[in-house]
Amino acid sequence: ETGVTQSPTHLIKTRGQQVTLRCSSQSGHNTVSWYQQALGQGPQFIFQYYREEENGRGNFPPRFSGLQFPNYSSELNVNALELDDSALYLCASSLVDASSSYEQYFGPGTRLTVT
Amino acid sequence: AQSVAQPEDQVNVAEGNPLTVKCTYSVSGNPYLFWYVQYPNRGLQFLLKYITGDNLVKGSYGFEAEFNKSQTSFHLKKPSALVSDSALYFCAVRDMVNNFNKFYFGSGTKLNVKP
Repeated sequence: ETGVTQSPTHLIKTRGQQVTLRCSSQSGHNTVSWYQQALGQGPQFIFQYYREEENGRGNFPPRFSGLQFPNYSSELNVNALELDDSALYLCASSLVDASSSYEQYFGPGTRLTVT
Repeated sequence: AQSVAQPEDQVNVAEGNPLTVKCTYSVSGNPYLFWYVQYPNRGLQFLLKYITGDNLVKGSYGFEAEFNKSQTSFHLKKPSALVSDSALYFCAVRDMVNNFNKFYFGSGTKLNVKP
């Protein structure tokens, strides 16, 4: 098991609502990435935070936003939920520096269902 | 643009037989390639990576992968499959154009190992 934890495990929301998902990175890691994995598909990159700033974003609308805290924990916020937002949301932490080898360590995910 | 393709949705193999899960990639520059495994209702677990060096990379649980630059492939292999290897396998490539740790994942291959 990695040292990456996510909460909650499962969540059911109604269309139009807002949701916050949480992630605790592995100790010593300075970077967290969030991915959306729809059923039957590979993970799709949402965005990445490095030292508390967003430094990369995938093809997701602004209603997907995030935060990274000084202790390297992180949040993913989604506003105005749509049915298509139903997916497994994965958090991945990594150490990015001059000598790192870039593997990402994934948490178990949060299963979000929008009805 | 970076991308990976996993041409097989599913691979079936008998326990004790060798297995191969295929992956091809398209990248700008030298590729950083990864394999991850996902068990039901779990996050992704790192198996192995290719950054540079020997074309045959050894990883966790007896898996290995062969990097072939001329064929732009990075196939995952195991000499003798176990029933417990049954899972969903993802190939991924790291974005090297921008300086952040974004991974592009394939669509996944379901491996079924039968007793």
